[in-house]
Amino acid sequence: QKEVEQDPGPLSVPEGAIVSLNCTYSNSAFQYFMWYRQYSRKGPELLMYTYSSGNKEDGRFTAQVDKSSKYISLFIRDSQPSDSATYLCAMGNGQNFVFGPGTRLSVLP
Amino acid sequence: SQTIHQWPATLVQPVGSPLSLECTVEGTSNPNLYWYRQAAGRGLQLLFYSVGIGQISSEVPQNLSASRPQDRQFILSSKKLLLSDSGFYLCAWSGWTSGDTDTQYFGPGTRLTVL
Repeated sequence: QKEVEQDPGPLSVPEGAIVSLNCTYSNSAFQYFMWYRQYSRKGPELLMYTYSSGNKEDGRFTAQVDKSSKYISLFIRDSQPSDSATYLCAMGNGQNFVFGPGTRLSVLP
Repeated sequence: SQTIHQWPATLVQPVGSPLSLECTVEGTSNPNLYWYRQAAGRGLQLLFYSVGIGQISSEVPQNLSASRPQDRQFILSSKKLLLSDSGFYLCAWSGWTSGDTDTQYFGPGTRLTVL
């Protein structure tokens, strides 16, 4: 079983749609959960991070963590063409980090 | 605030040539430093990480090596490049900053093409 699984997409949605991106993981020791956005030919940019279970909202972005199910989600409301990028989930515990392969998202105008 | 620099941004090298990629971090001290490779359409592969000067851990056996000569400087090297070394190389740092949890921040990356 892979440590982190993430649907690679590509995922295409119309502008204004609600986007749901998800990851599952296997290591129950993970405590930090992150989402990165990576534009083409750029380094990943930290978008959201949460500690343990629960929700965190930042503007149009909401991150959810369900540690009991080992499942994390990122929701994007009112998606914009500028949201078109690859989204990587990541999780860690101290110095150990693992990343999902990323989901490629296209928001069509 | 903290910033991370990588250079060069792009590099085209022939097979068998040497390699040196540099990464520096500003605005923090004693960071953990990481080198990743990202192949086209693939996830991030951790190559090396360092918790301090001269302390390097290798995650994947290969013809690459890393060094940390200074607290905020991380270098990725190779004596002889292979075609399979082509990819997007990312440097990252992590560490406790005031008010933040421990997470990783990435540099802009170096795109390496080996011909």
